[in-house]
Amino acid sequence: NAGVMQNPRHLVRRRGQEARLRCSPMKGHSHVYWYRQLPEEGLKFMVYLQKENIIDESGMPKERFSAEFPKEGPSILRIQQVVRGDSAAYFCASSRVPGQGWTEAFFGQGTRLTVV
Amino acid sequence: DQQVKQNSPSLSVQEGRISILNCDYTNSMFDYFLWYKKYPAEGPTFLISISSIKDKNEDGRFTVFLNKSAKHLSLHIVPSQPGDSAVYFCAASGNTGTASKLTFGTGTRLQVTL
Repeated sequence: NAGVMQNPRHLVRRRGQEARLRCSPMKGHSHVYWYRQLPEEGLKFMVYLQKENIIDESGMPKERFSAEFPKEGPSILRIQQVVRGDSAAYFCASSRVPGQGWTEAFFGQGTRLTVV
Repeated sequence: DQQVKQNSPSLSVQEGRISILNCDYTNSMFDYFLWYKKYPAEGPTFLISISSIKDKNEDGRFTVFLNKSAKHLSLHIVPSQPGDSAVYFCAASGNTGTASKLTFGTGTRLQVTL
């Protein structure tokens, strides 16, 4: 039973390029969450998606960042025109449809983005 | 505005002894609290959680205590083992019942020595 799969594990981009981070949720999970961890900081919530729908994007920077979770395929976090400050570890988590009580989410191994 | 604070960036404990990791929060709307463990180059792994209606939850060697009046929670690991060496994150959630918008602390690096 594969866990949450993120790729690539490491991504190097030059300033101004685009970065695409992919996340395949665990089997049976239809909800995806993206978090970012800047150096020496805790994880910070970015966006919460279900298939074909953004539920909460209150943690997403207003510009250059977008996320999608299509009907088929992985969730994509896209960063346009990257800057050095985007260098961070980006973690994806997935969960089943939230029900009564707490719904646990499971994290992937992360993508470490380095902007040079 | 750091709503979840872990004031000790690191902690060193001898094998077999108790490890106590602390966490403070400021947002009284948080009603669910979690501890995650993270090894280098890996994602956070869920360890233990507690609802705000409880003051203690125990799972094997791990116990989480919640003091709502003090807005403080702690994770006790006893006995500590070398494999427990990792970064531990405290996280809190509002009343959505989901893992969305978890607010994480900055982590405490635990080193268990022989």
